[in-house]
Amino acid sequence: DQQVKQNSPSLSVQEGRISILNCDYTNSMFDYFLWYKKYPAEGPTFLISISSIKDKNEDGRFTVFLNKSAKHLSLHIVPSQPGDSAVYFCAAKDPLTGGTSYGKLTFGQGTILTVHP
Amino acid sequence: GAGVSQSPSNKVTEKGKDVELRCDPISGHTALYWYRQSLGQGLEFLIYFQGNSAPDKSGLPSDRFSAERTGGSVSTLTIQRTQQEDSAVYLCASSVSASVIYEQYFGPGTRLTVT
Repeated sequence: DQQVKQNSPSLSVQEGRISILNCDYTNSMFDYFLWYKKYPAEGPTFLISISSIKDKNEDGRFTVFLNKSAKHLSLHIVPSQPGDSAVYFCAAKDPLTGGTSYGKLTFGQGTILTVHP
Repeated sequence: GAGVSQSPSNKVTEKGKDVELRCDPISGHTALYWYRQSLGQGLEFLIYFQGNSAPDKSGLPSDRFSAERTGGSVSTLTIQRTQQEDSAVYLCASSVSASVIYEQYFGPGTRLTVT
């Protein structure tokens, strides 16, 4: 049962244009969402997050949008740069997981972003 | 400062053998997580340690998997009688306090190949 889904395995974008990475989830109890970026042979690195009480969070070129009614979040990168080429994972936190409110995350499968010069 | 480190970076083992994977979290981080990423899959939660509390083992796929965290710092993930389906990248992450800050810092992972 995949509670967090990234339906696009890959995305190709021209440098300078907008990259939009999408993520859908099924568990309405998720209360916090995160995006991670992963380069080959490295662990994922935290990029940006959003609480379920918000619908937008912006950090420089990165903006995350949350649509709770649609159970959908997206990551916008503007303008895209070749160095943004990586695998992007969305993740969600369920406060009820294990009966305690800790940071156990459920990850999507990842989307490979390629930004062409 | 130093990030999360894991060793070995690569491990090839024969089916049926036991393996130990090591994780050194960021100093001062009280929460430690193990995940694995199989080919084409997302990160799958395995186990979580928080301070001196009992670990959450709900993600361990079978009783062949176990993990310890000694002295609230270094953690070892042990897989007994490895099977080919255990082949994956095993990732360790730590965070300052799981109940307050949710951002986890990941190590580079150990790529395990079971032949």
